[in-house]
Amino acid sequence: AQSVTQLGSHVSVSEGALVLLRCNYSSSVPPYLFWYVQYPNQGLQLLLKYTSAATLVKGINGFEAEFKKSETSFHLTKPSAHMSDAAEYFCAVRGSNYQLIWGAGTKLIIKP
Amino acid sequence: GAGVSQSPSNKVTEKGKDVELRCDPISGHTALYWYRQSLGQGLEFLIYFQGNSAPDKSGLPSDRFSAERTGGSVSTLTIQRTQQEDSAVYLCASHGTSGSFTDTQYFGPGTRLTVL
Repeated sequence: AQSVTQLGSHVSVSEGALVLLRCNYSSSVPPYLFWYVQYPNQGLQLLLKYTSAATLVKGINGFEAEFKKSETSFHLTKPSAHMSDAAEYFCAVRGSNYQLIWGAGTKLIIKP
Repeated sequence: GAGVSQSPSNKVTEKGKDVELRCDPISGHTALYWYRQSLGQGLEFLIYFQGNSAPDKSGLPSDRFSAERTGGSVSTLTIQRTQQEDSAVYLCASHGTSGSFTDTQYFGPGTRLTVL
């Protein structure tokens, strides 16, 4: 069975600072991993996905994530935070029946 | 349409009433999912439709929940005898036909259900 753990329900960074959102997964098969973002009162939007083609995955809005099998991690980063990045971020792994299995989410707060 | 649409956007109902939530997937997408997002449980998978195959109902929390998909397109999620713990945002997603684990699921805006 697959599962996802996101460390930190809230992460606060200053504008211009590095963003690091942590995601660890558990999977008995090679995982397919996703990061989605949810802006206030909006639906979920795909940021990026890991499909085993490359361990460093680049997504939209300057975000990227690195798949590390040895650490069972897929952390999301962005070099310089913008106020517009304030949102909730969800890490997910694809389940055996194609459904997404979600982490609890991390709310990113950007301080001016 | 351009994206996944859901209706209504908000639904307030009284405990014990039945509700129907609708999802229109992206045209041509054969796979359709329902998820629930609630404060206590986070995001949970409910049910999955793929083409004409039998749906995967493994995520439905009780037999009060059911869903159907007519003509391989529109889906309706029905909750009978609603309870306060059913209050949540119900999300619908769809993806294309390759059936790959790497397919991107595209989400609708959700229906916010409040049970009084």
